[in-house]
Amino acid sequence: DAGVIQSPRHEVTEMGQEVTLRCKPISGHNSLFWYRQTMMRGLELLIYFNNNVPIDDSGMPEDRFSAKMPNASFSTLKIQPSEPRDSAVYFCASSFLAGDQETQYFGPGTRLLVL
Amino acid sequence: QKEVEQDPGPLSVPEGAIVSLNCTYSNSAFQYFMWYRQYSRKGPELLMYTYSSGNKEDGRFTAQVDKSSKYISLFIRDSQPSDSATYLCAMSGGSARQLTFGSGTQLTVLP
Repeated sequence: DAGVIQSPRHEVTEMGQEVTLRCKPISGHNSLFWYRQTMMRGLELLIYFNNNVPIDDSGMPEDRFSAKMPNASFSTLKIQPSEPRDSAVYFCASSFLAGDQETQYFGPGTRLLVL
Repeated sequence: QKEVEQDPGPLSVPEGAIVSLNCTYSNSAFQYFMWYRQYSRKGPELLMYTYSSGNKEDGRFTAQVDKSSKYISLFIRDSQPSDSATYLCAMSGGSARQLTFGSGTQLTVLP
């Protein structure tokens, strides 16, 4: 298996532009998570989906952020309009529940720089 | 106060040393405890997973959970340069899916 795939790996954009981050989870996984990692705040959960349905989006910073999961093999995280404070590494992770244990597998991340 | 506190380091040790990494937490509802390893410019990868209190050993790695003290540890025996990475503790409550992460400890093992 190729693992969790994220694109693009790097993104540089100007303030005010729309940014779309993409994620392909591991086949067979039924949960998908979007995280943001910064030096100041560490790794934060933004939103997660279970069976393509958003379950908890309380971590989404504000209305400029939106996430979709139209099918089991694809999800997007969109920022519109982007701001310099959105600069961070964005990770997508997927998981499946086996008994009591659920392991989240992370993608390589997208490094976003908003100028 | 953060729910999970972790000393960011950096921590530098010679090859072969025993490394001790620690996290404290405040939420008594946490039941699932994990350690992730993150190499530079990579995503975190799960290293150890424990449920409730006790010890778990996997090769050179041992995870300990003391729920009474709200304290978890990761020990690395015979540390290797390849262990150089950032180690993140993570924990969750009734559902193992909503993880709260520590800030990470940067470890360097010198050859």
